Amino acid sequence: SQQGEEDPQALSIQEGENATMNCSYKTSINNLQWYRQNSGRGLVHLILIRSNEREKHSGRLRVTLDTSKKSSSLLITASRAADTASYFCATAAKAAGNKLTFGGGTRVLVKP
Amino acid sequence: ETGVTQTPRHLVMGMTNKKSLKCEQHLGHNAMYWYKQSAKKPLELMFVYSLEERVENNSVPSRFSPECPNSSHLFLHLHTLQPEDSALYLCASSQGLQRGHTGELFFGEGSRLTVL
Repeated sequence: SQQGEEDPQALSIQEGENATMNCSYKTSINNLQWYRQNSGRGLVHLILIRSNEREKHSGRLRVTLDTSKKSSSLLITASRAADTASYFCATAAKAAGNKLTFGGGTRVLVKP
Repeated sequence: ETGVTQTPRHLVMGMTNKKSLKCEQHLGHNAMYWYKQSAKKPLELMFVYSLEERVENNSVPSRFSPECPNSSHLFLHLHTLQPEDSALYLCASSQGLQRGHTGELFFGEGSRLTVL
């Protein structure tokens, strides 16, 4: 079974609304990262949160990490049509030497 | 522009062909990766090279053969592939795998492979 699993698998919202997606993982991690992928393109790194951090912000992005529940959330505030993409969480697990393991992603559609 | 360039962007090949995917990074990183992305499946790590030495081979069939001649270049040689190998192949690089590095990956745009 995969290390990171996103929820929901797909999300459709109106422009201006907030989008929240969650990631759960199974083993202890060094850090958790979120990536974005536009259709048919490469992944782009968004934000990294270390295991000793609880919350991080970057522009309209807010990431939380709860190591006791082995879960993370990504919040995109005031969404724009250009935010339409797939979002992936990836965990750098201590047991895996920091190599990243990706979840299946959340497909976000922001309707204008 | 992420600093990681993949060529070709699209490739169609028959099952008996031999082709290669190329990746080049201009970021001074010393670790490079091949990932496979198939429809409705999570990204699958195929190979990892650290300091030009292969450190990971995730049970990938021998019809996929990686090559890392130096820290800036990575190839994936393809031979007698199957239709189920059709996927987006993503190359990535990072500063390294040593303890303390973040593991943040910089991806190329991918090579879309179709096997007929």
